[in-house]
Amino acid sequence: NAGVTQTPKFRVLKTGQSMTLLCAQDMNHEYMYWYRQDPGMGLRLIHYSVGEGTTAKGEVPDGYNVSRLKKQNFLLGLESAAPSQTSVYFCASSLSRGANYGYTFGSGTRLTVV
Amino acid sequence: AQKVTQAQTEISVVEKEDVTLDCVYETRDTTYYLFWYKQPPSGELVFLIRRNSFDEQNEISGRYSWNFQKSTSSFNFTITASQVVDSAVYFCALRGGNYQLIWGAGTKLIIKP
Repeated sequence: NAGVTQTPKFRVLKTGQSMTLLCAQDMNHEYMYWYRQDPGMGLRLIHYSVGEGTTAKGEVPDGYNVSRLKKQNFLLGLESAAPSQTSVYFCASSLSRGANYGYTFGSGTRLTVV
Repeated sequence: AQKVTQAQTEISVVEKEDVTLDCVYETRDTTYYLFWYKQPPSGELVFLIRRNSFDEQNEISGRYSWNFQKSTSSFNFTITASQVVDSAVYFCALRGGNYQLIWGAGTKLIIKP
């Protein structure tokens, strides 16, 4: 089915390791977002992209980097993982700014840093 | 600053009861959008409704209804004749003049059989 696909779905990292989360969408959406969800909290925006080759910081960008080399892919990188980055990560995309067309979310990646 | 408050952390009701989830928002934008999402135990985020600031009409969709009141900055969600399958965490979110969706902390709804 068309939509937003996140890989991997689960991952356990040791402190200091690095990894990349991949988000792929096949809806030709311009805007893509990375959120994290922590227990008892709503989603918080890490980084976002308004088009191929662009990225911008969200609410909680520290410790993360992103890249949008292709329109359909938005990568989230952790260079040196910390236990505070244990969270569920959601990718989303939208056709425009999301207001008129809404947001499509991936199924999430559960990351544990030990 | 923009903010979304869902004061009810957890609600537990017996099946077939009606239940209302509260959402209060803060924004200085004149144009904004409000959303409700459902997150069942499986973890995915399910879109329920989007409402823009110019449309204060209440909305009904089956057993679900939404009451948007700009005067009180509230966008409440009511489930009529609740069912066990309605058990989930429900999030209210606000999108103002920027790209960000600001989320409430969520309300965990437990429907007991």
